[in-house]
This record gives sequence, C-alpha cells and structure tokens, in this order.
Amino acid sequence: EVQLQQSGPELRRPGSSVKLSCKASGYSITDYLMHWVKHRPEHGLEWIGWIDPEDGETKYAQKFQSKATLTADTSSNTAYMQLSSLTSEDTATYFCARPGGYWGQGVMVTVSS
Amino acid sequence: DVVMTQTPPSLSVAIGQSVSISCKSSQSLVYSDGKTYLHWLLQSSGRSPKRLIYQVSNLDSGVPDRFSGTGSQKDFTLKISRVEAKDLGVYYCAQTTHFPPTFGGGTKLELK
Repeated sequence: EVQLQQSGPELRRPGSSVKLSCKASGYSITDYLMHWVKHRPEHGLEWIGWIDPEDGETKYAQKFQSKATLTADTSSNTAYMQLSSLTSEDTATYFCARPGGYWGQGVMVTVSS
Repeated sequence: DVVMTQTPPSLSVAIGQSVSISCKSSQSLVYSDGKTYLHWLLQSSGRSPKRLIYQVSNLDSGVPDRFSGTGSQKDFTLKISRVEAKDLGVYYCAQTTHFPPTFGGGTKLELK
C-alpha cells in the first residue's frame, strides 16, 4: 500500500528556515516525481514544485523559486522540502503528493514571533 | 499560468440532493498527446486532498458512481448525485496539462 508519511507540525520564527520530510512506503521514490503543495484556507491550493528523486532534477513554480528547495534521499525513500526566510505568508499546511492521487497527511508550519 | 475559475464558491445542499460545480480554464487543457489533464479533488475538513476524478471523467478507485465529470477544452463540470454527509468539504479542480499545475479556488459544499 502506497503511503506518504510527513513530519510533525513546526513553529518557526520569522527569518528562519524549516525542513519538512515526506517518507514514502509501498513503492520506491525513484519511480515517480514527488510534488509539494501549499494550502492556506483563504487561498486554496498552490503547487510549489516537483523533484525527480532518481536524478535530483527539480522544477519550481516561479513564486517559490527562492523560497523552497526540494531534495530526496533514496536510501531512506524520503523526500524533503526546505523553506527559507520564513514570513507569516509561509504559515500554511504543506503536502507532498505523488502521481496517481496519493497525498501525505500534510504538515502545519506556523511562522510567528 | 493557467487560471482555473470555479463556481460557485460555496453550495448549501440537502442530503439526497444533486449538485454541479463548474470549472473553467483560461486556456484549453488538451495536451499534445490528445488527453485532457483536468482533475477533481475533495478536501474534507482537516484532511489531505483526495483525488476523485482524473482526466475529466475517470473515477478513482473506490469513488462511488454518484460522482461524474464532464467537459472539454476549457469548460468542465463535476456532478454529485444524491449527496451524502461524507461528501461535504471543499472541491477543487486542478490542471496538469500546462506548467505550472494550477488549482481552482475551491467550492465549499456544506449542509443546508
């Protein structure tokens, strides 16, 4: 059974960074792209980018080019997203998602002083 | 970026009623392979989105046939027949034909 298990909620200060994880089970992450999506209730869903864990190739939406960095560790079958220079606008729930309709449970990131 | 416009933004429905949600895109969603990559997702309160329909009209495994998707080019519709309580939440259309993938603004389905 395909599962994407994300790390727990995060509280960060403005200006800091955070690294989120998404551990895949039931398949090898090298077999599919891994996407990341941002959700804020008043703004809906926004696509951040994808990584091809097989070769590390990444592609980002323009607005997240300097905000998000996607990586993957094939040895642990885990994808990561680092968010830098955090502001209140980054307070959101972040999901990893795999083609075929599979989503992680989401991780809430709160940015507050 | 392709703009996805969903209407209405919210719907109040009685159990057993049928409803339709519209999704219009700013560009045709037909890809060079002839397929149309328009999908429908449901996000129930506090949960991750669940894909219901892919490529306009194909139901994901386990999705009841009370759900149906139609449309072409730039104009798409999700219909839910005989709404049940577990259908409540926010519905999103999403396109993956063009880069970057984009989502509609969502339609909140709630009980009347």
